Amino acid sequence: EVQLVESGGALVQPGGSLRLSCAASGFTLSAYSMIWVRQAPGKGLEWVSYISTTGETIYYADSVKGRFTVSRDNARNSLFLQMNSLRDEDTAVYYCARPYCSTTSCYSDYWGHGTLVTVSS
Amino acid sequence: SYVLTQPPSVSVAPGKTARITCGGNNIGSKSVHWYQQKPGQAPVLVIYYDTDRPSGIPERFSGSNSGNTATLTINRVEAGDEAEYYCQVWDSNRGVFGGGTKLTVL
Repeated sequence: EVQLVESGGALVQPGGSLRLSCAASGFTLSAYSMIWVRQAPGKGLEWVSYISTTGETIYYADSVKGRFTVSRDNARNSLFLQMNSLRDEDTAVYYCARPYCSTTSCYSDYWGHGTLVTVSS
Repeated sequence: SYVLTQPPSVSVAPGKTARITCGGNNIGSKSVHWYQQKPGQAPVLVIYYDTDRPSGIPERFSGSNSGNTATLTINRVEAGDEAEYYCQVWDSNRGVFGGGTKLTVL
């Protein structure tokens, strides 16, 4: 059974940093690209980042570019999101998800349960 | 950046048909995916590549995409279909979600 379990969410002050983790099981992580998606309280879904199977190709939403860094450790079946210079508007539940990507599109068939990041003084 | 527009809410009586639209510039040239999200839960994929249903999703769920509008159709709506629904495309190497539509079953 495919499982994705996020962790690392916490209350952090504006300007602070946080590192999220996503533990993958039930499939071979190295065979799949991965993404992060977030959802602010009471709001819609926002795509955050994409990382290819080897980490060679990475994309970010404009809202986090330069502040967030996605990485992965296939040997440890883990995905990470390093978040720096956090802002109030980064407050959200962060989901990791496994996308299926063709040459023209990606969709996500498996999602974690999410981890809550609260940025507040 | 590419924008997807969904109506904030759709209401339908049980047993009737719900149609949730997703508008975007020439969206018919893109692949559209749909997710269902219930309160406190992660999104669930219900339609991918415009019209395909993942295993376990009832046949009552279907999709279409043409011109500037993609549509998620739910036939014979049940109380358990009440949820937020999001459309999604891939554009310029990034994912784009619509703002979401709250489906209320009357």
